[in-house]
Amino acid sequence: DTGVSQDPRHKITKRGQNVTFRCDPISEHNRLYWYRQTLGQGPEFLTYFQNEAQLEKSRLLSDRFSAERPKGSFSTLEIQRTEQGDSAMYLCASSLALAYIRTDTQYFGPGTRLTVL
Amino acid sequence: GENVEQHPSTLSVQEGDSAVIKCTYSDSASNYFPWYKQELGKGPQLIIDIRSNVGEKKDQRIAVTLNKTAKHFSLHITETQPEDSAVYFCAVTRGSARQLTFGSGTQLTVLP
Repeated sequence: DTGVSQDPRHKITKRGQNVTFRCDPISEHNRLYWYRQTLGQGPEFLTYFQNEAQLEKSRLLSDRFSAERPKGSFSTLEIQRTEQGDSAMYLCASSLALAYIRTDTQYFGPGTRLTVL
Repeated sequence: GENVEQHPSTLSVQEGDSAVIKCTYSDSASNYFPWYKQELGKGPQLIIDIRSNVGEKKDQRIAVTLNKTAKHFSLHITETQPEDSAVYFCAVTRGSARQLTFGSGTQLTVLP
């Protein structure tokens, strides 16, 4: 079990450019979450998938953000027309949802730090 | 929506002393309460969690207590060591929601 991995670990881009991040969850985990964390704050929920279905999106996820999880394995988070306010750490987490457990434990990846100049 | 308050925001203790961090939440339907440790440049690491049907849980030097009536829960670290220095986050969720709502974090510094 290699844990949740994210790529790249750091991304510097210019305002207006598009960026894409990748997350590989723990093998066999059926839920995958994206969070955003700004300096000095706790992570904030963006969206989550159960298998390939995107089931919930936060109000923080503007139209410039899109997430996918094809085939229910890895996930990508794309930000179009980046703004300086998008600078943050983007965290991915995964969990194994079982029918007899109402809430599942989320395991986080190392994050992708985005800097928009 | 859920609101989670975490105190203190910074905490310094001498090596070997105990540290206590407290969180309060607003949604009485919340039923899952994990604690995460985050080191600089890394993602949050789960250190202990508790569900609403349990009042206390312990794992070696770490314990969590839950008071559902008062809607607060606390992290207790005993015999602190310098490697315990990090930012600690509490989080809350309830069965009908999947996302975690996090507190604002506590920077713990263990002085040698």
